[in-house]
Amino acid sequence: DSGVTQTPKHLITATGQRVTLRCSPRSGDLSVYWYQQSLDQGLQFLIQYYNGEERAKGNILERFSAQQFPDLHSELNLSSLELGDSALYFCASSVVGGLNTGELFFGEGSRLTVL
Amino acid sequence: AQSVTQLGSHVSVSEGALVLLRCNYSSSVPPYLFWYVQYPNQGLQLLLKYTSAATLVKGINGFEAEFKKSETSFHLTKPSAHMSDAAEYFCAVSDAIRGGSQGNLIFGKGTKLSVKP
Repeated sequence: DSGVTQTPKHLITATGQRVTLRCSPRSGDLSVYWYQQSLDQGLQFLIQYYNGEERAKGNILERFSAQQFPDLHSELNLSSLELGDSALYFCASSVVGGLNTGELFFGEGSRLTVL
Repeated sequence: AQSVTQLGSHVSVSEGALVLLRCNYSSSVPPYLFWYVQYPNQGLQLLLKYTSAATLVKGINGFEAEFKKSETSFHLTKPSAHMSDAAEYFCAVSDAIRGGSQGNLIFGKGTKLSVKP
């Protein structure tokens, strides 16, 4: 158990809909990362938040957005869903500051199926 | 920009045989390097990491990896494969600044390891 919690584990929805994925980082970790894993693209970095602020952005579509709340949990919002958005979405968290050696701790993922 | 290349999307070995999964990296600064394992329907679990200490890194489940700067490689090995090692393995490089608050991981495309009885 990595200590990172993601909900829901599975989600089935229709094209054009909007969903929200939720992540609670490990206790004490200030930084949250979102990744998308699909068969054709592999593991793609979407976005990073650090203590409520956006810190880095990767290949995140404009239809997707994220935020990190004062209690450090994060949400990834996916809107106007397309079939190609079907994927496994991972959240990860990390130690920051002087202890940062780059290691990320991953949740078990949220599997999104768009029909 | 940093990147990682994993040679071979599928590797099949017999139980008890040597496991060798290849990873080459590209980085303009001394890198942090990682191997993660993903079992079916699970998240990614850290196997081992290189952070510029010893070049031979030992991880969990009997795996180890050697950092070779001259070859820009970080290959993963295990002397004797077990059936339970069947999984997908990902090599990753971090763009973390030492002691900083940034740093996402850039992953390779993964290598699926099959172990035959």
